[in-house]
Amino acid sequence: AQSVAQPEDQVNVAEGNPLTVKCTYSVSGNPYLFWYVQYPNRGLQFLLKYITGDNLVKGSYGFEAEFNKSQTSFHLKKPSALVSDSALYFCAVRGASGSSNTGKLIFGQGTTLQVKP
Amino acid sequence: KAGVTQTPRYLIKTRGQQVTLSCSPISGHRSVSWYQQTPGQGLQFLFEYFSETQRNKGNFPGRFSGRQFSNSRSEMNVSTLELGDSALYLCASSTTRTGTIGELFFGEGSRLTVL
Repeated sequence: AQSVAQPEDQVNVAEGNPLTVKCTYSVSGNPYLFWYVQYPNRGLQFLLKYITGDNLVKGSYGFEAEFNKSQTSFHLKKPSALVSDSALYFCAVRGASGSSNTGKLIFGQGTTLQVKP
Repeated sequence: KAGVTQTPRYLIKTRGQQVTLSCSPISGHRSVSWYQQTPGQGLQFLFEYFSETQRNKGNFPGRFSGRQFSNSRSEMNVSTLELGDSALYLCASSTTRTGTIGELFFGEGSRLTVL
């Protein structure tokens, strides 16, 4: 069965410092991995994804994520955090099956990122 | 381009009642998925519709149902509401264009409170 784990409920970082939000996954075959962000009282917004190719993927708002197959991880990173980055971040996985599962993602429990001035 | 629109945004029901939630996807998006978000269970997949056909279903009881219309708009229905159905229900639309796998566009959700 596919699963995603986000080991930290909350990550605190000072503005201007680098941030990392951790994600590990379990899936048979090659994974499709995603990061989404949710601001208070809003829906989720797509940040970035890994399908294949370069292990370092770049996304919206200066975020990037590194795919590590041996460690089954897909950590979200940003070199310099902003107060406005404070939100709830979700890692998600989709099995590399056919297009019939386009809309079905398995989400982690989410990590709250707090960036303090 | 208008985003995903969900109505109503907030609603309060009592146990035993039923509720219908509506979702209008982004123009041109033919796939609509529904998710339930709760503090305890997180985000859980309910079902997905594509071209008026349900092509995926999550692990929810039969009280949860949905449908999609020819214009891609979707509705979900929950019958015989229980307290545990209180949640934020999120709708997401997507295309099947090459290179867009997994890129879901979410609405702001319908927050259901069951008393």
